[in-house]
Amino acid sequence: EIVLTQSPGTLSLSPGERATLSCRASQSISSTNLAWYQHKPGQAPRLLIYYTSSRATGIPDRFSGSGSGTDFTLTISRLEPEDFAVYYCQQYGSSPFGGGTKVEIK
Amino acid sequence: QVQLVQSGAEVKKPGASVKVSCKASGYTFTDYYLHWVRQAPGQGLEWMGWIYPNSGGTKYAQKFQDRVTMTRDTSISTVYMELSSLRSDDTAVYYCARVKGPRDYWGQGTLVTVSS
Repeated sequence: EIVLTQSPGTLSLSPGERATLSCRASQSISSTNLAWYQHKPGQAPRLLIYYTSSRATGIPDRFSGSGSGTDFTLTISRLEPEDFAVYYCQQYGSSPFGGGTKVEIK
Repeated sequence: QVQLVQSGAEVKKPGASVKVSCKASGYTFTDYYLHWVRQAPGQGLEWMGWIYPNSGGTKYAQKFQDRVTMTRDTSISTVYMELSSLRSDDTAVYYCARVKGPRDYWGQGTLVTVSS
């Protein structure tokens, strides 16, 4: 079973700043298999990115995904107040989530 | 519209089992995998596995392999997740989800509390 390691654990940033989140896999993943989710307290998670770089329906273009092999990145170009949340990567529906990165307000 | 409606909150004693249901509507039930995900208090998301309602095929996360069973009843478009040998650290909100890019749909979550 593939293990996904996310870093950093917490990212403290101000609105308007750029956020770069990393997800590293214990073995190579097909680029069609990497997804990112956003999770806020008291809500169901939300799919942000699938197939490494495709935005899910309704996701603004400040969210982008990239990567290949074992190294993947989620970038939020300019943080909006509603973007402060926890972000998880996953091998699309077939492996445990990474440990998550909390993006908090600095 | 697509909806996933889960059963209500449960309180169980350690060692017992719990069975959570997820009723799907608004789409062809047998066309999409349904996943189960949980979040314990203060912890991250945990993917538990999926079931493919068409065939009943399942895949479970290694962590839950020995304790989880996912089943479906196509006549009522419902999937079930049963977790056995409950422990206190199984206290969590359990979600069913249909995730296939570019759309995802989630149930409202079911709180399972394990307490003596």
